Amino acid sequence: DGGITQSPKYLFRKEGQNVTLSCEQNLNHDAMYWYRQDPGQGLRLIYYSQIVNDFQKGDIAEGYSVSREKKESFPLTVTSAQKNPTAFYLCASEDRGNEAFFGQGTRLTVV
Amino acid sequence: AQSVSQHNHHVILSEAASLELGCNYSYGGTVNLFWYVQYPGQHLQLLLKYFSGDPLVKGIKGFEAEFIKSKFSFNLRKPSVQWSDTAEYFCAVRVRDDKIIFGKGTRLHILP
Repeated sequence: DGGITQSPKYLFRKEGQNVTLSCEQNLNHDAMYWYRQDPGQGLRLIYYSQIVNDFQKGDIAEGYSVSREKKESFPLTVTSAQKNPTAFYLCASEDRGNEAFFGQGTRLTVV
Repeated sequence: AQSVSQHNHHVILSEAASLELGCNYSYGGTVNLFWYVQYPGQHLQLLLKYFSGDPLVKGIKGFEAEFIKSKFSFNLRKPSVQWSDTAEYFCAVRVRDDKIIFGKGTRLHILP
């Protein structure tokens, strides 16, 4: 079954801790994205990668980091420097020049 | 910087009413345009897309959108909405081969 898998679905983090959100795709897509969704704010781009070993900052990259060592995987680390990390995080992949396909999302809560 | 504006943040309609959701973008070159929908508890899915050709595009579930280049607009329409259309709708734009940028979304609530 082809698709995008985000894990975990729910994640709780203590303040001051880093946490990594997983995103895996088996669609053989070159491009992958991380968005943050907050009520009334839509989807805001955190990072995107158009090819392995390359990625670019989006509009709200501060406090986040990513890696793209494999085509299938694009993990997002939410660092302690992110001031307001509680949000819904969406990963997407795209076959270059086509539409994006989304995972089910990870809801991160800082406690 | 490129941006996408969705004019209606929250729309409430009765069943069988007609729907039009506005979307404008701020780039004058070649663009790819998308409308996505997020039903309650579900992941984002594509409603329709425009890359080139006929500016009136048809999507799933009876939705359509019209690309008007002179107005930098890509409005979503449906002649008769159903209760099951209750969802959040997002307009998105990709400029050339770059990243995809989303609008802030429109929450649509259909009264039965």
